[in-house]
Amino acid sequence: DTAVSQTPKYLVTQMGNDKSIKCEQNLGHDTMYWYKQDSKKFLKIMFSYNNKELIINETVPNRFSPKSPDKAHLNLHINSLELGDSAVYFCASSQGTVPSGELFFGEGSRLTVL
Amino acid sequence: DQQVKQNSPSLSVQEGRISILNCDYTNSMFDYFLWYKKYPAEGPTFLISISSIKDKNEDGRFTVFLNKSAKHLSLHIVPSQPGDSAVYFCAAPEPPGKLIFGQGTTLQVKP
Repeated sequence: DTAVSQTPKYLVTQMGNDKSIKCEQNLGHDTMYWYKQDSKKFLKIMFSYNNKELIINETVPNRFSPKSPDKAHLNLHINSLELGDSAVYFCASSQGTVPSGELFFGEGSRLTVL
Repeated sequence: DQQVKQNSPSLSVQEGRISILNCDYTNSMFDYFLWYKKYPAEGPTFLISISSIKDKNEDGRFTVFLNKSAKHLSLHIVPSQPGDSAVYFCAAPEPPGKLIFGQGTTLQVKP
């Protein structure tokens, strides 16, 4: 039973399209995150939500819009996709906000923009 | 500007030997550090952590050492096993609630 699950795992799309990645956690955590791993392999935070409230928005272009319908779900919608959006996107959750707890990551969603 | 750096992109060791993965940081306010391990096509998983009030934390074959004056930490794996082959990330928490990750070191343990 996967703790943090993301769909889809792979996504190939054209520039200019709009796409969404969904994330669900069944750990009962109250904080969820989106991280981006770029071509240089750095893992960088994009957003975090605590109990459906936006806590961190790390200067991400407003083409990226997270949505948290409840504390178990955090979806990521991306408008007008660009080549530079190609990356692996990881969803994560934690009990409380870091640094008190470790992060539990999903398997990642590899987005390729052509 | 990267606050957490792992300057060795890769490391190869023989099974049974010691693996030493290094991490440097620039922010002296960091007071807690974590190591994550990542297999291909999987998300990172927590491995071990250390608080700045300690200089060593051990968990089985894994030991993390912290040198605050040098702003340096290292992860030792003894003995290394082929199943340890993975990417290892060093990370530090920064308020209001994010982890700053290094770029990772790919460890290959050869049988």
